[in-house]
Amino acid sequence: DIQMTQSPSSLSASVGDRVTITCRASQGISNYLAWYQQKPGKVPKLLIYAASTLQSGVPSRFSGSGSGTDFTLTISSLQPEDVATYYCQKYNSAPHTFGQGTKLEIK
Amino acid sequence: EVQLVQSGAEVKKPGESLKISCKGSGYSFTSYWIGWVRQMPGKGLEWMGIIYPGDSDTRYSPSFQGQVTISADKSISTAYLQWSSLKASDTAMYYCARPEGIWGQGTLVTVSS
Repeated sequence: DIQMTQSPSSLSASVGDRVTITCRASQGISNYLAWYQQKPGKVPKLLIYAASTLQSGVPSRFSGSGSGTDFTLTISSLQPEDVATYYCQKYNSAPHTFGQGTKLEIK
Repeated sequence: EVQLVQSGAEVKKPGESLKISCKGSGYSFTSYWIGWVRQMPGKGLEWMGIIYPGDSDTRYSPSFQGQVTISADKSISTAYLQWSSLKASDTAMYYCARPEGIWGQGTLVTVSS
């Protein structure tokens, strides 16, 4: 099965910083990659699908890129409300494996 | 409004069986896959499996194959996740979710003697 590896596992940045999280698939998955945001005690929220398509209602400071095996989630200007754990997920074929998560904190 | 509504929290003893549910509304239930995701306390998201209610085609993660059963009753637009013999390590929050980003509110399952 295809493994999904995120880096870093945790990240501390200042408000206004540009933040990048990477996700690597062990085999090519075309652009079948989603990014989720999960705040403590909350249901995961879809941010991006098809690697780079912003879900309706998600702030434009979030963006995604990549194809094949390497993907990135970028927050262009970090806001306090972005504190959360972020997960990538492949969905080209079952199993729809998640990455291990990246915990983002404010410095 | 498209939504998935899950059954309430459960407290069970090791060895007991359990079936939790996820009711879809606001869309054609038989036309969209529904998956199940586990989140153990303080841990990440784990994809368990998925079902297509239209024909009951079901796929499992190797990690969960044989450990749980996923099913659906399209007559009542409801998907299920069931265990025949719970273990303490099954204690977790369980979410149903459509791959399009629609998630249920979660069902907390606690298994303790």
